[in-house]
Amino acid sequence: DSGVTQTPKHLITATGQRVTLRCSPRSGDLSVYWYQQSLDQGLQFLIQYYNGEERAKGNILERFSAQQFPDLHSELNLSSLELGDSALYFCASSPRGESSYNSPLHFGNGTRLTVT
Amino acid sequence: ILNVEQSPQSLHVQEGDSTNFTCSFPSSNFYALHWYRWETAKSPEALFVMTLNGDEKKKGRISATLNTKEGYSYLYIKGSQPEDSATYLCASFSGSARQLTFGSGTQLTVLP
Repeated sequence: DSGVTQTPKHLITATGQRVTLRCSPRSGDLSVYWYQQSLDQGLQFLIQYYNGEERAKGNILERFSAQQFPDLHSELNLSSLELGDSALYFCASSPRGESSYNSPLHFGNGTRLTVT
Repeated sequence: ILNVEQSPQSLHVQEGDSTNFTCSFPSSNFYALHWYRWETAKSPEALFVMTLNGDEKKKGRISATLNTKEGYSYLYIKGSQPEDSATYLCASFSGSARQLTFGSGTQLTVLP
């Protein structure tokens, strides 16, 4: 058990809808990362938050947004969903911010999003 | 190398065989190289984090080496067991990317 909790495990929704994925980091970790894994693709970095502030941004679509709350949990909001957004979305946490490159990431079990 | 590349994409070995696979990454602006093990229906788990050229790390039958000058890392598994079957991911913090960038993984299947 990594200590990172993601909810829900599965989500099925229709195109055009909006969903929110939730992540609670490991106790004591200040950084939260969101990754997307689509079919036949590696883990694609979306965004990182550190102690409530956005720290790094990857190839995150404008239809997607995220935030980290004072209790350090994070939410990833996906709107105007398209079929191509179907993927496994992982949250990971680590203790530190920009210097966290030398800390291993601890991953949650992921949320499987299916857009129909 | 602009991206993180792993080879082979998949590998089948017999129980007891030793095996290795490669991770290539941008050698410029290098900070760290991570290896993760990802079993089906589970989440990726960290194996190693390496930061120095020439680093070698070992955990049981699994070991890894790092060459930051030429931008590659090898992961070795000695005496493979069926429970080693998983996808092995590497990720680098280097090059122009200011975040950890993952390769597509090597899927290992160990046949009993």
